[in-house]
Amino acid sequence: DQQVKQNSPSLSVQEGRISILNCDYTNSMFDYFLWYKKYPAEGPTFLISISSIKDKNEDGRFTVFLNKSAKHLSLHIVPSQPGDSAVYFCDKMDSSYKLIFGSGTRLLVRP
Amino acid sequence: NAGVTQTPKFQVLKTGQSMTLQCAQDMNHEYMSWYRQDPGMGLRLIHYSVGAGITDQGEVPNGYNVSRSTTEDFPLRLLSAAPSQTSVYFCASSLSGQRTATYGYTFGSGTRLTVV
Repeated sequence: DQQVKQNSPSLSVQEGRISILNCDYTNSMFDYFLWYKKYPAEGPTFLISISSIKDKNEDGRFTVFLNKSAKHLSLHIVPSQPGDSAVYFCDKMDSSYKLIFGSGTRLLVRP
Repeated sequence: NAGVTQTPKFQVLKTGQSMTLQCAQDMNHEYMSWYRQDPGMGLRLIHYSVGAGITDQGEVPNGYNVSRSTTEDFPLRLLSAAPSQTSVYFCASSLSGQRTATYGYTFGSGTRLTVV
């Protein structure tokens, strides 16, 4: 049972434009969602999180939106930069603070 | 430098051999975890610990053992390596409780393991 689904394996956007990465979930029992970024040959890096009681959280160029009725969340990056090119993981964190990873979306930001 | 240190970075094992992947953190984090990442997949949780002396199983624990005798160290033991354990292994640590969700886990740079 894949609790967190990232249905788009890849996304390509032009530098300066908005990148929107999507994530669907199947189990409503969660406390937080977290987004991580991963470059090749490195460990994942924490970006931003959102709790189940909120519908939006932003940090600089990164904003995460949570739609509980649709069981959907998205990460917006504005403006996108070439250095944002990486794999992005949508992760669920339950009440025991364990992380469950999605399969990831590879973002390419074209100069 | 503060952070999560994993050793070795690369390892080749023969089927049936045993080894220990080392993980150390100097941030006084309570929570520590081990993940594996296979091609085209997300990271899957192997084992985790919420403090010294406390460990529990994750999604894919079979074939792996862990112990947590100190806050700083969380080694992962492969008892009898199999080709299916060929993967990249990541160790992670975080502050406890609510702060885990706010600040996330800090990951090491990984150990690439090949079992032949």
